[in-house]
Amino acid sequence: GENVEQHPSTLSVQEGDSAVIKCTYSDSASNYFPWYKQELGKGPQLIIDIRSNVGEKKDQRIAVTLNKTAKHFSLHITETQPEDSAVYFCAAIRGMDSSYKLIFGSGTRLLVRP
Amino acid sequence: DGGITQSPKYLFRKEGQNVTLSCEQNLNHDAMYWYRQDPGQGLRLIYYSQIVNDFQKGDIAEGYSVSREKKESFPLTVTSAQKNPTAFYLCATHRMGSAEKLFFGSGTQLSVL
Repeated sequence: GENVEQHPSTLSVQEGDSAVIKCTYSDSASNYFPWYKQELGKGPQLIIDIRSNVGEKKDQRIAVTLNKTAKHFSLHITETQPEDSAVYFCAAIRGMDSSYKLIFGSGTRLLVRP
Repeated sequence: DGGITQSPKYLFRKEGQNVTLSCEQNLNHDAMYWYRQDPGQGLRLIYYSQIVNDFQKGDIAEGYSVSREKKESFPLTVTSAQKNPTAFYLCATHRMGSAEKLFFGSGTQLSVL
């Protein structure tokens, strides 16, 4: 089955710097890759996603890139702000009609230092 | 939390006791899910239900039970058979036609006394 590895487990950056979180997946048939942000004491919230027919997607300060050949995808946050501090999870899924097949990475705790 | 309400926020379980976590949604969604979150680990699927009166085991169903008698409600019972129940439990749902995009509740932290 699918396995998703996420690195690093913790990341500390200075406010205004960029942050990059990387994930690799094992199932070459996976075709949808969401990223979730979880603030302290809350449930995860979908912040951006990418499908396998696209190499890059941007939404303001966040972007996700996908390399299907290498089977890895990354989250890029530019001009980081203290409110970006949270735990970020990547995930992968094969097929679009079955959330129960979402496989999550182990999470990255991002700390943005003022 | 987008119409998904989990309660209580914190819950304590004594040895040998069953406890039930509540998840209610007013979004009229068919599918509901329960995940377990441990520190430093990803979310792991416990149970899911795609329609009323039907549910399926996820990857770590042992020691847990669920029911889906109403569309709005998907309670999770942590039984005494679950020997390591301390974790953060998350309920989720999704819009019809967007099965890959989950909406999560705010979670319940369960601890053992």
